[in-house]
Amino acid sequence: DVKVTQSSRYLVKRTGEKVFLECVQDMDHENMFWYRQDPGLGLRLIYFSYDVKMKEKGDIPEGYSVSREKKERFSLILESASTNQTSMYLCASEGYSYEQYFGPGTRLTVT
Amino acid sequence: AQKITQTQPGMFVQEKEAVTLDCTYDTSDQSYGLFWYKQPSSGEMIFLIYQGSYDEQNATEGRYSLNFQKARKSANLVISASQLGDSAMYFCAMRERLGAGNMLTFGGGTRLMVKP
Repeated sequence: DVKVTQSSRYLVKRTGEKVFLECVQDMDHENMFWYRQDPGLGLRLIYFSYDVKMKEKGDIPEGYSVSREKKERFSLILESASTNQTSMYLCASEGYSYEQYFGPGTRLTVT
Repeated sequence: AQKITQTQPGMFVQEKEAVTLDCTYDTSDQSYGLFWYKQPSSGEMIFLIYQGSYDEQNATEGRYSLNFQKARKSANLVISASQLGDSAMYFCAMRERLGAGNMLTFGGGTRLMVKP
């Protein structure tokens, strides 16, 4: 079974803090994704990566950056957290039939 | 324009009955994939089933089947013999131009509630 793990299930941070969300997959997948999910707005893609050190912007990259130094690990970085970044963050890894496997999600609250 | 439309925000089904969740999509591509995901209250998104645009047979995966009607651009999910554990949000998604590095687009979701 594919396993995608995320570093935290729940996180509370203060405005202006730098926040790191980590995602690890164990299936040697090349493509990995970061989404945020908000009520009424569905899932929106923030960034994705199709190889080590490669990244592409999704629909809402503003205020975020990413890092992929190793194939199995894809990190999402909030350089200076703001209250409008309070959300559920979901990481996904893509299989060979284009299906995406998701991690358990991180509920981030920025106060 | 919406690429994926799920018109049922919420649905009830009696335990052990079958239920159909609707999904229509919009694309001009010939090569695309359609996916269904389940999201229980715990928050994790669980991949259920996949249908490729060139697949002639409807996809099936255990109690899940995908009713793919290409001409109507619909990809409805059918869950047979509903169980209480099926209560969750269900999302339909599409990936256009398979293999070209394109992104997955999700519908707004349908909340399914299974009654005992």
